[in-house]
Amino acid sequence: DTAVSQTPKYLVTQMGNDKSIKCEQNLGHDTMYWYKQDSKKFLKIMFSYNNKELIINETVPNRFSPKSPDKAHLNLHINSLELGDSAVYFCASRKGLIYNEQFFGPGTRLTVL
Amino acid sequence: QQQVKQSPQSLIVQKGGISIINCAYENTAFDYFPWYQQFPGKGPALLIAIRPDVSEKKEGRFTISFNKSAKQFSLHIMDSQPGDSATYFCAATYSGAGSYQLTFGKGTKLSVIP
Repeated sequence: DTAVSQTPKYLVTQMGNDKSIKCEQNLGHDTMYWYKQDSKKFLKIMFSYNNKELIINETVPNRFSPKSPDKAHLNLHINSLELGDSAVYFCASRKGLIYNEQFFGPGTRLTVL
Repeated sequence: QQQVKQSPQSLIVQKGGISIINCAYENTAFDYFPWYQQFPGKGPALLIAIRPDVSEKKEGRFTISFNKSAKQFSLHIMDSQPGDSATYFCAATYSGAGSYQLTFGKGTKLSVIP
């Protein structure tokens, strides 16, 4: 009965590789997000997406791209991985157009060697 | 430019004591202020939230105090317990923030010692 799930939980890869992180929510929410949490625990929004618009944080490199096959999924693709991409990535979702709770996934710890 | 400043970075409180975490914001358009709690290895989870039309909101041992004129808000944890040990994030958003994107403070690591 997991609300927001992410796979994989851990991802270790070499510099220069391309990788994807998958996110699925079974809450019927219509807005999904990707956050990056760095080693100092700082949470930073990367993308928000619903069926009407994609909003990209201006500081996110274009090596990162979200892809949504349907309303329940928002995957994160990362090209040409760099050492600085090492972090924990969280997917989240929210329902509706008002101030509703964001539900976070368990996170994916990405380590770039 | 960090729009939500959170302090302290870390906090150690005795069991039964009061934990206080403060946040200040710059963007006067913000009109929703949630607090999230994160345990190690887990995603953040909503703890309590407030809108600026009230000065205080209480849920159990957790209280948000809000000062609109000072652009500050704080989280008080009464009768702190070891199980409250976690990282706490304040956040803010507004209706024009594009899908209500949250801007987070940098977090406070709370340790409640027996």
